[in-house]
Amino acid sequence: KQEVTQIPAALSVPEGENLVLNCSFTDSAIYNLQWFRQDPGKGLTSLLLIQSSQREQTSGRLNASLDKSSGRSTLYIAASQPGDSATYLCAVNTNAGKSTFGDGTTLTVKP
Amino acid sequence: EAGVAQSPRYKIIEKRQSVAFWCNPISGHATLYWYQQILGQGPKLLIQFQNNGVVDDSQLPKDRFSAERLKGVDSTLKIQPAKLEDSAVYLCASSSWTGDLHSYNEQFFGPGTRLTVL
Repeated sequence: KQEVTQIPAALSVPEGENLVLNCSFTDSAIYNLQWFRQDPGKGLTSLLLIQSSQREQTSGRLNASLDKSSGRSTLYIAASQPGDSATYLCAVNTNAGKSTFGDGTTLTVKP
Repeated sequence: EAGVAQSPRYKIIEKRQSVAFWCNPISGHATLYWYQQILGQGPKLLIQFQNNGVVDDSQLPKDRFSAERLKGVDSTLKIQPAKLEDSAVYLCASSSWTGDLHSYNEQFFGPGTRLTVL
């Protein structure tokens, strides 16, 4: 059974700092991994999708990496802004097509 | 392009009552998912459809939950009877499918329905 863990559960940083969010998974037989952002009371917004054959994906100030062999993915946020404050979730899709989510990291960026 | 639509946005019911949620995926998306998200946790997959067929419903409490996607487009999720522990946000998502057996692409989510069971 796939298990996805996100550490830390909460993170508070000053504006302008670079930061890394972590996602680990137990079954390396994944098809792809997706990072999402969730604002309070809202649905999930897709940030980045990494296929299993890829090592990283970039979008603006965001960079996501994937290391299947070690069961890890990281989301790097450069030059953080107060508007980045949200909960960040990772989801792993296995070869069986099942999506498993972590419980997320709640990020607070202080002005 | 219109996103995933869900209704209602909020619902308050008493335990043992029934409730239904509706989802309309992005046009052309063959795969549709229903998730349950309890406060402070990540979404948990309840059921996954490929067109109008069920791909995975292993975590759906079938004694009280049911879902259908009759024409392979929109979908309804029903709870009957509701329990206190069903209080959660119910999220619908959709994705396109390239035709490869294991080609599941980027998921797009609706705004969710917040259910409170009293």
